[in-house]
Amino acid sequence: GQNIDQPTEMTATEGAIVQINCTYQTSGFNGLFWYQQHAGEAPTFLSYNVLDGLEEKGRFSSFLSRSKGYSYLLLKELQMKDSASYLCAVRGGRDDKIIFGKGTRLHILP
Amino acid sequence: KAGVTQTPRYLIKTRGQQVTLSCSPISGHRSVSWYQQTPGQGLQFLFEYFSETQRNKGNFPGRFSGRQFSNSRSEMNVSTLELGDSALYLCASSPNRDSNEQFFGPGTRLTVL
Repeated sequence: GQNIDQPTEMTATEGAIVQINCTYQTSGFNGLFWYQQHAGEAPTFLSYNVLDGLEEKGRFSSFLSRSKGYSYLLLKELQMKDSASYLCAVRGGRDDKIIFGKGTRLHILP
Repeated sequence: KAGVTQTPRYLIKTRGQQVTLSCSPISGHRSVSWYQQTPGQGLQFLFEYFSETQRNKGNFPGRFSGRQFSNSRSEMNVSTLELGDSALYLCASSPNRDSNEQFFGPGTRLTVL
């Protein structure tokens, strides 16, 4: 089966950098996604990794190591609006499904 | 281009009733997935539809069913509602099955009393 683990909550300070880790177990890995979800809103797409390495997109970067079953989302120059849940999701398994982790709730302090 | 729309946005039902939720994907998108989101379990995969065919199904009981129409609109149905079915039901669309981004609708908040 597929399994995804990420921390439940994290706290960081405005202007700082935070790294949200995600570990996964799946057969037939076919991509890893990060989504942002503000309270009461739908998830919005942040990044997609299918090859090892770092993908940078503005203040957000996502890293993948397929051999370790590990990814992280790096948020730089944190802003108050970055307070949200960050969802790690993996496509894989026998049926090529997209399965989500339970999300990491990020609190930004002024 | 209009986003994913879901109707209704809010719904209150009682145990034993059934409910039908609707999802209209972004124009041109052919793949629609449904998820149930609860505080304790997070986002859980329900179904994936592509070209009117169910391509994948999550680990939910047979009370949960769905379908997709020729215009890619999708519906999901839950019969014999239980208290534990109270959740946010999210629909996501993508152009194709192997697209690397899903676009989520605002969700339908279902409360079962």
